[in-house]
Amino acid sequence: GAGVSQSPSNKVTEKGKDVELRCDPISGHTALYWYRQRLGQGLEFLIYFQGNSAPDKSGLPSDRFSAERTGESVSTLTIQRTQQEDSAVYLCASSTIGTSNQPQHFGDGTRLSIL
Amino acid sequence: GENVEQHPSTLSVQEGDSAVIKCTYSDSASNYFPWYKQELGKRPQLIIDIRSNVGEKKDQRIAVTLNKTAKHFSLHITETQPEDSAVYFCAASLGNQFYFGTGTSLTVIP
Repeated sequence: GAGVSQSPSNKVTEKGKDVELRCDPISGHTALYWYRQRLGQGLEFLIYFQGNSAPDKSGLPSDRFSAERTGESVSTLTIQRTQQEDSAVYLCASSTIGTSNQPQHFGDGTRLSIL
Repeated sequence: GENVEQHPSTLSVQEGDSAVIKCTYSDSASNYFPWYKQELGKRPQLIIDIRSNVGEKKDQRIAVTLNKTAKHFSLHITETQPEDSAVYFCAASLGNQFYFGTGTSLTVIP
């Protein structure tokens, strides 16, 4: 595809509900990253996938957060029993991995609002 | 792990003036430093990057400098224009992990 695609673009849900966010990376990009960006804040790393290796989950803030990725394709970020502090924009990025570092390409994000 | 600090958090300049944003990093093994521009409600967009084997890189009105000894790098925007107004993020890459600064909100006053 032309770029990283995320869906939905906006999600409003009630506290306590589960939500699932989707990311379609650029075709051929083996690395995929999830970030959380609260209003007016920087990018908070959540999780990183690289090919078929075990993901780096070190940024997940609690066990309510989980993510999956099948091979080098789509990833889903799931937040269970949502809380108001989960309200944020969730950004996905992908990149190639080569002999030298490659830049990340970001999606437009999912704006999550917990009522 | 890596720690990236970014200053200033906000910056206002007159149109036509230059803007400088500075970042420091803690891990000397970091070897790739991208800069992203994020307009309100939009995705972060890569505007320039530099690798550790280079001290300076320029692309039209934008330049980045890297001082490996001091572990800091800076973004320079010359002849600023209103459309440069955005939040700018620096990042340092260690392996395949990226560590972001907290962002600088740049306002260019016409």
